[in-house]
Amino acid sequence: ETGVTQSPTHLIKTRGQQVTLRCSSQSGHNTVSWYQQALGQGPQFIFQYYREEENGRGNFPPRFSGLQFPNYSSELNVNALELDDSALYLCASSSTRYLGTGGGGYTFGSGTRLTVV
Amino acid sequence: EDKVVQSPLSLVVHEGDTVTLNCSYEVTNFRSLLWYKQEKKAPTFLFMLTSSGIEKKSGRLSSILDKKELFSILNITATQTGDSAIYLCAVEGSSNTGKLIFGQGTTLQVKP
Repeated sequence: ETGVTQSPTHLIKTRGQQVTLRCSSQSGHNTVSWYQQALGQGPQFIFQYYREEENGRGNFPPRFSGLQFPNYSSELNVNALELDDSALYLCASSSTRYLGTGGGGYTFGSGTRLTVV
Repeated sequence: EDKVVQSPLSLVVHEGDTVTLNCSYEVTNFRSLLWYKQEKKAPTFLFMLTSSGIEKKSGRLSSILDKKELFSILNITATQTGDSAIYLCAVEGSSNTGKLIFGQGTTLQVKP
């Protein structure tokens, strides 16, 4: 069973609305990354948070924003929702920022399925 | 632009068959390549590869990396219906984050 918990599991929103997705990282992990996975595609990097600071951002507009809390849990906020924002949003936690330094793979949560109508 | 390409995009085999999934990449300052299995939602970690030519093995699954030719393969022997899933290849590149660049995935269906 994954140690990363995401909520809610499913969500339906109307275009133009705002949404907040939540992620509790695995115990001992201080880094959280968010990915968007559209149907039939691989996940795309949105941003990463390390010790409560944004530590890198993918090619997503500013209406995608995030937070990391002192307990290393995280939120993803999306404003002015568009139909193309419909996707599975995955949160992944790790114990280091750079996986290649021996930190192993990320642990992914089960995701939040967002549908924008 | 960094990219990861997987092939084939989908594959249908019968139980007991052996499959080879391919992943090629063009990424600046490669750090590591990872394979994940995604059955319903959460991708689960299979392998992390950082050095060329060293095979990693876990049961019926194995993987190897070629950093000269910029590709990796994932082999599954004696496939079972439980192997049906999307297999994702991802590469960690040069950014100051652990950003992973994913391929499109290979959808594997194993028929009884």
